[in-house]
Amino acid sequence: DAKTTQPPSMDCAEGRAANLPCNHSTISGNEYVYWYRQIHSQGPQYIIHGLKNNETNEMASLIITEDRKSSTLILPHATLRDTAVYYCIVRPRSNTGNQFYFGTGTSLTVIP
Amino acid sequence: GAVVSQHPSRVICKSGTSVKIECRSLDFQATTMFWYRQFPKQSLMLMATSNEGSKATYEQGVEKDKFLINHASLTLSTLTVTSAHPEDSSFYICSASGTGGMVYGYTFGSGTRLTVV
Repeated sequence: DAKTTQPPSMDCAEGRAANLPCNHSTISGNEYVYWYRQIHSQGPQYIIHGLKNNETNEMASLIITEDRKSSTLILPHATLRDTAVYYCIVRPRSNTGNQFYFGTGTSLTVIP
Repeated sequence: GAVVSQHPSRVICKSGTSVKIECRSLDFQATTMFWYRQFPKQSLMLMATSNEGSKATYEQGVEKDKFLINHASLTLSTLTVTSAHPEDSSFYICSASGTGGMVYGYTFGSGTRLTVV
């Protein structure tokens, strides 16, 4: 089962930063936070992941709170092509394959 | 790197027939592959996990005799929807993890839109 909670939808003005929150209050010590996004009728696309330190790559930044119970994905300058459903996933502890369980995600709409 | 190719992208079949969907890792060895199903306006639901050379592990509520999964090689997994019915119409997505090209998380295929008429 998904261990994350996200707002169902958000809007963001084009060119502005999009801040997508995620709660994962039951995260375990060795579990990472992953972010994926899914553009309509496509497979999910990896964005970023982190354990406890903030991370940044060419797509986004990930801010994880000190207690690791929540995180925020930041798209610094949102474009229309960033309109998608964004999934925050906590990788479960498993001996049989470390499955990804998707929650409901946040549908981000970037407005011109 | 870490590309997963999924075919076909769309398929329409008659009720009662079987459909096979292929998932290939192009530049890495996929020791584990995952199959998901996604209904309109819903999230991805994990159906099963398959390890190369082993029987697939199905999630609760997924019929293993209806959704046959074969992972006979390190680069190919197939999902066969047997005796398909209209309620099996959905978006099926595979993902893979393994060695060689995988660095971050898992790579997903582009999905297969199955319509059963």
